[in-house]
Amino acid sequence: DAGVIQSPRHEVTEMGQEVTLRCKPISGHNSLFWYRQTMMRGLELLIYFNNNVPIDDSGMPEDRFSAKMPNASFSTLKIQPSEPRDSAVYFCASSPSQNTDTQYFGPGTRLTVL
Amino acid sequence: AQSVSQHNHHVILSEAASLELGCNYSYGGTVNLFWYVQYPGQHLQLLLKYFSGDPLVKGIKGFEAEFIKSKFSFNLRKPSVQWSDTAEYFCAVNGKDSNYQLIWGAGTKLIIKP
Repeated sequence: DAGVIQSPRHEVTEMGQEVTLRCKPISGHNSLFWYRQTMMRGLELLIYFNNNVPIDDSGMPEDRFSAKMPNASFSTLKIQPSEPRDSAVYFCASSPSQNTDTQYFGPGTRLTVL
Repeated sequence: AQSVSQHNHHVILSEAASLELGCNYSYGGTVNLFWYVQYPGQHLQLLLKYFSGDPLVKGIKGFEAEFIKSKFSFNLRKPSVQWSDTAEYFCAVNGKDSNYQLIWGAGTKLIIKP
């Protein structure tokens, strides 16, 4: 299996621009997670999907952030408009089932907002 | 409140030294326990996990961890570290009877001097 695939790997954009991050989970996995990692705040869960349905988005920082999972093999995380404080590494992870299972992480997208 | 505490934020060791990274958790129920590793510039990878059975768990690359229920601990050990073990190590917990969400420790940055 190719593992969790994320694109782009690096994104540099200017403040105010829309940013879309993409994730393809491992085939057959039912759960998908978006995380943000920064030096200051460490690893933060942004949103969790189970069977393509958002279950918990309490970690989404504000309305500028939105996430979708239109099907079992694709998810997006969108920031509009982007701000410099959104600069971070964004990880997508997937898991075979909702409870207890190991989460498998993608390589991450390093976002820099100038 | 549910939490995971990693005692040391930074650890510096020489090659061949023995390693023990502390992890304590606070959770009102039966738990699954994980150690993830993040090598410089890479994504998180599972190092080892404990779900049930033998509380001494062996993982990849010579790492092991011991679940001590009475101490709410899941410390990570390696008898002889290598320069390539330089990475950040994260302890995480989730509840068997609850939900998907992993509760993450803040991470320990391990630097091995050659």
